[in-house]
Amino acid sequence: KQEVTQIPAALSVPEGENLVLNCSFTDSAIYNLQWFRQDPGKGLTSLLLIQSSQREQTSGRLNASLDKSSGRSTLYIAASQPGDSATYLCAVGYSTLTFGKGTMLLVSP
Amino acid sequence: EAGVTQSPTHLIKTRGQQATLRCSPISGHTSVYWYQQALGLGLQFLLWYDEGEERNRGNFPPRFSGRQFPNYSSELNVNALELEDSALYLCASSSSLLPRVNTQYFGPGTRLLVL
Repeated sequence: KQEVTQIPAALSVPEGENLVLNCSFTDSAIYNLQWFRQDPGKGLTSLLLIQSSQREQTSGRLNASLDKSSGRSTLYIAASQPGDSATYLCAVGYSTLTFGKGTMLLVSP
Repeated sequence: EAGVTQSPTHLIKTRGQQATLRCSPISGHTSVYWYQQALGLGLQFLLWYDEGEERNRGNFPPRFSGRQFPNYSSELNVNALELEDSALYLCASSSSLLPRVNTQYFGPGTRLLVL
């Protein structure tokens, strides 16, 4: 059974700092890995999707990497802004996603 | 292009009642997924519908059921509600045109409170 773990559970940083969120999974036979953002009480916004054959994806200030052999993915956020404050979720799978419990990020001005 | 829509936004029921939640996927998407996000448990997969058929279900009791209509919209029914069914129910849709990618797009959710 696939299990997804995200560390840290919560993170508080000052504006402008670069930061890394971590995601690990137990079964390396994944199809895709997806990073989402969730604002309080709201739905999920897809940030990046990495196919199993890829090693990284970039979108603006976000960069996600995937290392299947070690069962890890990282989400790098450059020059953090208060608007980045949200919960970041990592999910693996193809049709049925298995989610981690998320990292709650607070970026203070 | 409209995103995934869900109704109602909030629903209050009492134990033993039935709840019906609705989802409209992005135009052109044929797959609809349901997830439950209960406090402290994280997001858990409930059901997957594609082309009107149930393709997979998560580890939930049979009182959680649903269906997908010919226009690809979907309904989630929860019978005999229990207090622990209180959660945010999220619907997502995806397109079969890019099967290797299969990005899921989520709606805003329905918050169900069981009293």
